[in-house]
Amino acid sequence: DAKTTQPPSMDCAEGRAANLPCNHSTISGNEYVYWYRQIHSQGPQYIIHGLKNNETNEMASLIITEDRKSSTLILPHATLRDTAVYYCIAKGWGLGGDDKIIFGKGTRLHILP
Amino acid sequence: GAGVSQSPRYKVAKRGQDVALRCDPISGHVSLFWYQQALGQGPEFLTYFQNEAQLDKSGLPSDRFFAERPEGSVSTLKIQRTQQEDSAVYLCASSLAGQQLNTEAFFGQGTRLTVV
Repeated sequence: DAKTTQPPSMDCAEGRAANLPCNHSTISGNEYVYWYRQIHSQGPQYIIHGLKNNETNEMASLIITEDRKSSTLILPHATLRDTAVYYCIAKGWGLGGDDKIIFGKGTRLHILP
Repeated sequence: GAGVSQSPRYKVAKRGQDVALRCDPISGHVSLFWYQQALGQGPEFLTYFQNEAQLDKSGLPSDRFFAERPEGSVSTLKIQRTQQEDSAVYLCASSLAGQQLNTEAFFGQGTRLTVV
């Protein structure tokens, strides 16, 4: 699976949009971009994933560049409960793909009141 | 229950003691994963099951670590002769299907193991 690079930490004011970047310049054609987050003392929680097109769900939006070398997770109206470590993962599927999720160090997002 | 359940939530073991950590995945989930998470680090992959078959155990740090899922549902991670460096949170995750489908993984809350 492709390696991803994320900033170690970010701050965001409560109520503002939090934009978390991720670089995955070596991503291959069958690899999806996944985002998970881990709130303190809990297990990781799935947020969203995408391949080429931008995706939106009730938690967040995922913007993937046209060359797929980077992406941004957007939390549109951050709350204090969004304080967590956010992991960006590039993961292949299908024949020859690997089922396990490889976590990097993630971005520690602090939402400031 | 609706989610992945792990027990115990907390375990204190004396060095040299054997421990067994249990994971109850979401009913019907084919894939099951174990991860180890040291303080301040991201989760590190240990092993993966598809039904009862252990397809990948490349992350197990030593032969003191053993995992099983004999009936393709509940899984147990066993650590023999625990050492202080085994102190960590052990996370279990399950997902609906294996390689052929693109599905998310659901994680339990973990078991915090402290070896004293």
